[in-house]
Amino acid sequence: NAGVTQTPKFQVLKTGQSMTLQCAQDMNHNSMYWYRQDPGMGLRLIYYSASEGTTDKGEVPNGYNVSRLNKREFSLRLESAAPSQTSVYFCASRGDRSAYGGQYFGPGTRLTVT
Amino acid sequence: DAKTTQPPSMDCAEGRAANLPCNHSTISGNEYVYWYRQIHSQGPQYIIHGLKNNETNEMASLIITEDRKSSTLILPHATLRDTAVYYCIVRSNNQAGTALIFGKGTTLSVSS
Repeated sequence: NAGVTQTPKFQVLKTGQSMTLQCAQDMNHNSMYWYRQDPGMGLRLIYYSASEGTTDKGEVPNGYNVSRLNKREFSLRLESAAPSQTSVYFCASRGDRSAYGGQYFGPGTRLTVT
Repeated sequence: DAKTTQPPSMDCAEGRAANLPCNHSTISGNEYVYWYRQIHSQGPQYIIHGLKNNETNEMASLIITEDRKSSTLILPHATLRDTAVYYCIVRSNNQAGTALIFGKGTTLSVSS
């Protein structure tokens, strides 16, 4: 199992450009999450999807959109990138064999907006 | 989420057991104890979780006291690759709309 994979690993954007961060998991998990982590800071939840076909806002959704394409894939789109969106973005999924399962994280996408 | 308290840092010799403590004296009956770690520049990694019984998996063991007010994560044979920041989180189910709050954690340094 590859677990949770994210592409790209690194990206540099100019202000106003758009891009989509891709995330996929092969663990048959229902729940998926997008977080951002700024230097020296904790995780902040952007959006999450409790199951295929549903998405909900987290704590910091402004400037982002998401798509739960199928059970495996959950993408994050920046429509018009801003320097404040410079961050490391992590995708995570949670298993439901145990309703209290831990979250499994991908390796992250390091995004710089200039 | 209940508040947790962890020592800021710990050292461990390679091959020895690393015992990382966590206090969570205000834990509620429906809250689980989770452990994660984050190695520098990598994504957080889920390690283990438990409610009141001791748990073991391929990575670690989790010992929860009978009153559930504290717990210990045990890495039985620490390696250099276990050097990371370890986070103890207390959390109830279905908090899908809120981020995991990691706090400051314990920086474990494993040396040869």
